[in-house]
Amino acid sequence: AQSVTQPDARVTVSEGASLQLRCKYSYSGTPYLFWYVQYPRQGLQLLLKYYSGDPVVQGVNGFEAEFIKSNSSFHLRKASVHWSDSAVYFCAVSAVRIFFGDGTQLVVKP
Amino acid sequence: AQTIHQWPVAEIKAVGSPLSLGCTIKGKSSPNLYWYWQATGGTLQQLFYSITVGQVESVVQLNLSASRPKDDQFILSTEKLLLSHSGFYLCAWSPTGGDQDTQYFGPGTRLLVL
Repeated sequence: AQSVTQPDARVTVSEGASLQLRCKYSYSGTPYLFWYVQYPRQGLQLLLKYYSGDPVVQGVNGFEAEFIKSNSSFHLRKASVHWSDSAVYFCAVSAVRIFFGDGTQLVVKP
Repeated sequence: AQTIHQWPVAEIKAVGSPLSLGCTIKGKSSPNLYWYWQATGGTLQQLFYSITVGQVESVVQLNLSASRPKDDQFILSTEKLLLSHSGFYLCAWSPTGGDQDTQYFGPGTRLLVL
């Protein structure tokens, strides 16, 4: 069975600081992995995705994620956050069908 | 470029009243289509998906139904709304073929049932 866990419901960081949002999945094979961002009262926007190959994938707006198979993780990172990055971030895993984590609300303090 | 529209943007409806939400995808032929429900501040729950006109699969039963009357249109409806139907409804599409696991979302419809 597939599942996705985002252990942090809310993360607060200062502007300019680095960021890591955690995501762990459960699936026996190698699934397709995604990070989406949702700004208030909007739909989800795709940040990045991993299908195969280089385990570090680059996304939009300076985001990247690393697939670590041994740890079943796909953490999202950014070297320096901006206040406009404040949003809810969803990790998703797709094999038979797509499952989303519960989301992590990111608050960037000025 | 593909565009996805959802209508209406928001609705306030009475319990027991009917509902119809729409979704249209332009610029993509024969996409896979999806409906999701999101409780306020909550996770996404996939409700329905469709891979072709006239064919809809239910993922979760929430006293809702869906139809795909045209290749580019996906409709979510119910004859009788419940309080629990309140939330944010998102339509999404994915291409057929090699990238079919990547879903692209519409702007959503906010529904408040009173």
